[in-house]
Amino acid sequence: GQQVMQIPQYQHVQEGEDFTTYCNSSTTLSNIQWYKQRPGGHPVFLIQLVKSGEVKKQKRLTFQFGEAKKNSSLHITATQTTDVGTYFCAGRGTSGSARQLTFGSGTQLTVLP
Amino acid sequence: NAGVTQTPKFQVLKTGQSMTLQCAQDMNHEYMSWYRQDPGMGLRLIHYSVGAGITDQGEVPNGYNVSRSTTEDFPLRLLSAAPSQTSVYFCASSYRRGGAYEQYFGPGTRLTVT
Repeated sequence: GQQVMQIPQYQHVQEGEDFTTYCNSSTTLSNIQWYKQRPGGHPVFLIQLVKSGEVKKQKRLTFQFGEAKKNSSLHITATQTTDVGTYFCAGRGTSGSARQLTFGSGTQLTVLP
Repeated sequence: NAGVTQTPKFQVLKTGQSMTLQCAQDMNHEYMSWYRQDPGMGLRLIHYSVGAGITDQGEVPNGYNVSRSTTEDFPLRLLSAAPSQTSVYFCASSYRRGGAYEQYFGPGTRLTVT
């Protein structure tokens, strides 16, 4: 079945440093979503990317969707302590049961003050 | 709007017991899902529904049943609890906005099976 791999699993950064997490799918995706989950909380939708090569920005967050629609990345510029949490990508396949969202295992971000 | 609500917040079951996790949303969303979250494994889809009366299996459906008699409610039933079902369960609802199916998650139910 469809698999979505996410790396790294953990990332510790000093406040002010940049952070990137990467997602790779075993199959071509129709779209990919990104979520943030604070410690002890629930996932919160951040964004959806649909088009090949798409780049979207939300303040210090930059999201990219690969040209082949099989990979994606989230980059945070100048991290802040409020960025702490786990970031998940979730890919939606193109046909049949693969149309359901498949989540990556997440990247847990720790920001050291 | 309360959004997506889940009850209970915490539950401890003995092996073999059954129970129902409740999920309700007041946003009139057609699409609802149940996920389980285990350490290091992200969220895995258990069952989902595209509307009242329609349900389907996700990635890990064994040991769980669902029904969707109304748009608002989507309960998850554990038929005979097993220690492998110890997890955090999230219910989510979604609708299409600007081409994106934005999912709203409930606060979760932490289930321990002993």
